[in-house]
Amino acid sequence: EPEVTQTPSHQVTQMGQEVILRCVPISNHLYFYWYRQILGQKVEFLVSFYNNEISEKSEIFDDQFSVERPDGSNFTLKIRSTKLEDSAMYFCASSERAAEAFFGQGTRLTVV
Amino acid sequence: SQQGEEDPQALSIQEGENATMNCSYKTSINNLQWYRQNSGRGLVHLILIRSNEREKHSGRLRVTLDTSKKSSSLLITASRAADTASYFCATARKDFGNEKLTFGTGTRLTIIP
Repeated sequence: EPEVTQTPSHQVTQMGQEVILRCVPISNHLYFYWYRQILGQKVEFLVSFYNNEISEKSEIFDDQFSVERPDGSNFTLKIRSTKLEDSAMYFCASSERAAEAFFGQGTRLTVV
Repeated sequence: SQQGEEDPQALSIQEGENATMNCSYKTSINNLQWYRQNSGRGLVHLILIRSNEREKHSGRLRVTLDTSKKSSSLLITASRAADTASYFCATARKDFGNEKLTFGTGTRLTIIP
């Protein structure tokens, strides 16, 4: 069964460093998303991406964040200068149409 | 309160009993989805119910949607130890095209063997 895959599963980084979280969405999906979940809290929307551009972003998704689809398969989230409060589980999701998103297993980002 | 709030926040029941979780939301929606999350793991899609549907079944899951009350319920029948997880409702707004999901705070379900 097709699935969304995310790498790495766990990333530890020093404050101020750049991180890139990687995702391979399901191949025939057209809509891509990043969400995050701070430990013990709700899942929060970060950004949606369609047709090679951001279609919506939340207030969390400030200038430190960027997304890219560098080739036909990968979808990346970059955090330019990580802060302690960026520590969270980051989920990538994709959908074939604008509904029923399928989520990856997440990348746990720990900023120290 | 925020879009997509589940209650109860935590629920413990004996194996074999039925578990009911509720979700309330505030804005108009296109659909409502339920997800399960095992501790520290990814989100698993369970069921989607559209705004023009009132009830939907999938295996041991039954979801209802009342758009007049802006609420939904998830019923898990004949619970099993493996059902222990957090359950989230997520709403997709009445938008066209790209539809982000707004998640609730979740219900932590514990099934006691």
